[in-house]
Amino acid sequence: DTEVTQTPKHLVMGMTNKKSLKCEQHMGHRAMYWYKQKAKKPPELMFVYSYEKLSINESVPSRFSPECPNSSLLNLHLHALQPEDSALYLCASSQVGLPINEQFFGPGTRLTVL
Amino acid sequence: GENVEQHPSTLSVQEGDSAVIKCTYSDSASNYFPWYKQELGKRPQLIIDIRSNVGEKKDQRIAVTLNKTAKHFSLHITETQPEDSAVYFCAASPRKIKAAGNKLTFGGGTRVLVKP
Repeated sequence: DTEVTQTPKHLVMGMTNKKSLKCEQHMGHRAMYWYKQKAKKPPELMFVYSYEKLSINESVPSRFSPECPNSSLLNLHLHALQPEDSALYLCASSQVGLPINEQFFGPGTRLTVL
Repeated sequence: GENVEQHPSTLSVQEGDSAVIKCTYSDSASNYFPWYKQELGKRPQLIIDIRSNVGEKKDQRIAVTLNKTAKHFSLHITETQPEDSAVYFCAASPRKIKAAGNKLTFGGGTRVLVKP
């Protein structure tokens, strides 16, 4: 399996809702990433997990809470989001170690916050 | 932190012509430079990458060049085809911190349109 999968494909939520985005990979990668991509903009890194531990948090607001329950799964828990958080949320994975390895992206979850 | 500038933001070419996209980066510690293609509504997909110990890399119609001294790298697509129409992103990543994952900083993107 050489793909990163994400669920759901689309999500609409109100500002008071709690929801979660899920990401899964079975390539044996031990680094997993969350990116946010606004329309016509590049992906922006949010979080990096390495060996199931959070290694990079790009000063993301606490209403986004990542979780890596095991080496194949990555979740992003959402709570009290704002309309400006509407975007495509991309998950990616890569091997850890030198040399730097390709990041494989999932298809994304398109999130709309009302 | 790293800053990556990408030009042009849009590029329209006739089928069969070449397309060139240029990127500059700011962090001299960056040593990995991938290029991603993102079609409308799809995921970004790696099309080619280059590491700082290499000046040029080619894969069929796609080539990338890197000038470490000037801190710029370029993507060249020859014999363009309509299926090359997409948004292309360059990116840069610093020398990896042990077991810390791989931090990519993307350029702003180039929307390429290949006219038949």
